[in-house]
Amino acid sequence: DTAVSQTPKYLVTQMGNDKSIKCEQNLGHDTMYWYKQDSKKFLKIMFSYNNKELIINETVPNRFSPKSPDKAHLNLHINSLELGDSAVYFCASSQRGDYEQYFGPGTRLTVT
Amino acid sequence: SQQGEEDPQALSIQEGENATMNCSYKTSINNLQWYRQNSGRGLVHLILIRSNEREKHSGRLRVTLDTSKKSSSLLITASRAADTASYFCATTLGTSGSRLTFGEGTQLTVNP
Repeated sequence: DTAVSQTPKYLVTQMGNDKSIKCEQNLGHDTMYWYKQDSKKFLKIMFSYNNKELIINETVPNRFSPKSPDKAHLNLHINSLELGDSAVYFCASSQRGDYEQYFGPGTRLTVT
Repeated sequence: SQQGEEDPQALSIQEGENATMNCSYKTSINNLQWYRQNSGRGLVHLILIRSNEREKHSGRLRVTLDTSKKSSSLLITASRAADTASYFCATTLGTSGSRLTFGEGTQLTVNP
């Protein structure tokens, strides 16, 4: 069984569109995260939720809005997509904030 | 600037040799973690070492932590072609709980 799953795996869209990426974990973890990995493989945290509550909100354009309907799901909605949003987005979860994190397979977003 | 910096950026060795990767960080930490990322895949947790630990082993992996020098090393013994991947260190900072800050990674290539 997949521990952390993301959909879609690939997303190609045009500038100005709005898109969503979904994430689900079946590990029973309390904390979930969104990371962005750029073309140089640098991985940066965007958001973190604990039991559906936002606890980390990095300096991310407000076009990015996370939503956690329950503690097993953390979705990422992006409005008015820009070329610079092209990257791989990873969802992750952990039992506790300072424990090891389990990553999803990533969503490769390409904005044209 | 980011918390973790890794050295070397790229490492190419022959199967059977040992691989050593180093990570330095700037501020006090709760723990330091090492992750592996195969090309096009999500990150996989390898080892977590807490700030009061100096060394940890897991199979062919050995991690050391020197908090006085703010550095860690990951040693992979008897490397295999399947170890080819990017390796990242990540730190949980003393004051920020669940925030994992990643280094830039070391690309390891193990030649058969």
